[in-house]
Amino acid sequence: QKEVEQDPGPLSVPEGAIVSLNCTYSNSAFQYFMWYRQYSRKGPELLMYTYSSGNKEDGRFTAQVDKSSKYISLFIRDSQPSDSATYLCAMSSSGSARQLTFGSGTQLTVLP
Amino acid sequence: DAGVTQSPTHLIKTRGQQVTLRCSPKSGHDTVSWYQQALGQGPQFIFQYYEEEERQRGNFPDRFSGHQFPNYSSELNVNALLLGDSALYLCASSLVGDPLGAFFGQGTRLTVV
Repeated sequence: QKEVEQDPGPLSVPEGAIVSLNCTYSNSAFQYFMWYRQYSRKGPELLMYTYSSGNKEDGRFTAQVDKSSKYISLFIRDSQPSDSATYLCAMSSSGSARQLTFGSGTQLTVLP
Repeated sequence: DAGVTQSPTHLIKTRGQQVTLRCSPKSGHDTVSWYQQALGQGPQFIFQYYEEEERQRGNFPDRFSGHQFPNYSSELNVNALLLGDSALYLCASSLVGDPLGAFFGQGTRLTVV
């Protein structure tokens, strides 16, 4: 069993839709939770992060962490064609090296 | 600020050969991590370098080795290439202990034939 599970999609939605992306994890040591966006032929770029449980909002994006259920979510409101990309969840523990453990990514297409 | 730069962008090698990939970290960053991203998968941690030493290593064989130079740049070496080593190799730089400030380069696409 992988430490981080992510529905690979692909996910296709019309412009303006609300998008929900999710990951589950098994390692209780994870303390930092991140969402990366990766466009085709590019490296991942950090979109949002949260520490421990709770919600965080940044413009059209909301990240949620439920440590009791080992479940994290990213919501995108008023989705735009420019949001079309692969979304990767990533997690790390509080160790000094803090390697990132990624999900397999969800490919999102927002149709105009 | 040039961000994280990796070279080359694409590479084709023959099975059994050796390859060296290079990474220059973002200005001000002292830690370099390497990840392997197979097609349709998320990046997998290979190892991390800080102060020219390997600090942590993922589940990769000894064929994968690295180096960090005094200017913080880094190399990833892979010996005895296998077809399964074909992937996008990503370099991420950060300040030591800070997972939230990891900046990724565009990667090197390695194809082993």
